[in-house]
Amino acid sequence: GDSVTQMQGQVTLSEDDFLFINCTYSTTWYPTLFWYVQYPGEGPQLLLKVTTANNKGISRGFEATYDKRTTSFHLQKASVQESDSAVYYCVLGDGGSNAKLTFGKGTKLSVKS
Amino acid sequence: DMKVTQMPRYLIKRMGENVLLECGQDMSHETMYWYRQDPGLGLQLIYISYDVDSNSEGDIPKGYRVSRKKREHFSLILDSAKTNQTSVYFCAFLQGKGNSDYTFGSGTRLLVI
Repeated sequence: GDSVTQMQGQVTLSEDDFLFINCTYSTTWYPTLFWYVQYPGEGPQLLLKVTTANNKGISRGFEATYDKRTTSFHLQKASVQESDSAVYYCVLGDGGSNAKLTFGKGTKLSVKS
Repeated sequence: DMKVTQMPRYLIKRMGENVLLECGQDMSHETMYWYRQDPGLGLQLIYISYDVDSNSEGDIPKGYRVSRKKREHFSLILDSAKTNQTSVYFCAFLQGKGNSDYTFGSGTRLLVI
C-alpha cells in the first residue's frame, strides 16, 4: 500500500535558522504530494501541494520539490520564525481524484526566539 | 470561507458507553472523512463517505461506524467505547470540482475512562 515516511519526529531551531524536513513516499501510481501544517488546537491545513513531478510548490516562504526519481518531497524554508512552530505533515494523494490521503507521522517544529 | 464544524470539542465517556461525534459542513461537498490522530502516529483514516448513504471503510474502521443521511452531516459512532479509542478525531471534506484540497475541522478530543 501507499506510505509516507518522515524520519524526524521533532526539530528544534532558532529564529532565522534554515529548515529542512525530510519526506519520502512509496506508491504504485502517480500521486499528488502535499504538505499540511497543524497549529495547536486546530485541524491540519494545506500549506502547499504539487501535482506534477519535478515541479516545486511554494507558499509562505516554504518550498518543496516533487522528485519522482528519489521519491522525495522534502520541505525547506530559508529562515524560520517563531510563528512557524507547528506540526508539519507530508501527505500523499491517491492520484486522479485524491479522494484518499495518506499522512506521514508528522514532524513537530519548535522555533525559539 | 468553507467550514467544517465538529461537535463537541471535548468529550469524556466511560468504557462501554456509546459515543456520537458529529460533523457538519456548509457547502454540500460530496466526499467527507473521519480521521483519528494519536501522538507519533499522525492521522489515520477511519471512514470515507462519498455521498449520502455511500460510505467506505478506511484503514482503521474496527470499532467504529458512520452515518450520513444528509450531505451536510457526517457522524462517527463508537458502540461501546474502549479506552484505546481515546484520541483526537478530525472530520474533513474534499473540496472537489477539480480541487484536491481537504478542509479539516478543529477536532473532537475524546477521553474514554
